[in-house]
Amino acid sequence: KQEVTQIPAALSVPEGENLVLNCSFTDSAIYNLQWFRQDPGKGLTSLLLIQSSQREQTSGRLNASLDKSSGRSTLYIAASQPGDSATYLCAVHTDKLIFGTGTRLQVFP
Amino acid sequence: GAGVSQSPRYKVAKRGQDVALRCDPISGHVSLFWYQQALGQGPEFLTYFQNEAQLDKSGLPSDRFFAERPEGSVSTLKIQRTQQEDSAVYLCASSWYPSGLQETQYFGPGTRLLVL
Repeated sequence: KQEVTQIPAALSVPEGENLVLNCSFTDSAIYNLQWFRQDPGKGLTSLLLIQSSQREQTSGRLNASLDKSSGRSTLYIAASQPGDSATYLCAVHTDKLIFGTGTRLQVFP
Repeated sequence: GAGVSQSPRYKVAKRGQDVALRCDPISGHVSLFWYQQALGQGPEFLTYFQNEAQLDKSGLPSDRFFAERPEGSVSTLKIQRTQQEDSAVYLCASSWYPSGLQETQYFGPGTRLLVL
């Protein structure tokens, strides 16, 4: 059974720091991996989607990498800002979308 | 254009009451998904529709949960005889693609259900 784990569960940092959020999954047979952001009381916003044949994707200050063979992905956030405060979820696509429990990020001024 | 919408946004139900949650996907999206998100957890898959056909309902936790999408657009998730453990946020997502798995799913804001 596919299991997705995210560490750390929570993170509080001052503005300007570079951050790394980790995601691991137990079964490497995935179509792709996706990182989402969830703000309180709101739905999920897709940040980056990495196809299984790719190793990384970049969007602005965000960079996500995928090492399928080792079952790991990292989300790198450069020069963090208070507006980045949210819960970050990774999810793997198998026959369904399976989510981790998320990392709650707080960036303070 | 308009995104995925869900109603109601909040629902308080007494234990044993039936509830119906509505999802309006993005127009033209073929695939529709329902997820349940407990407090502090990631969303968990409930069921999947391709047009009006319910192709996967393996995530529905009990036979008290029922979903439909009769005309291949709007979907309703119904929970009969609600229990306290049903309290969660119910998220709906839609996608252009038939499987919805190889491309982005677009999520609605969710319905927060509290069963007292």
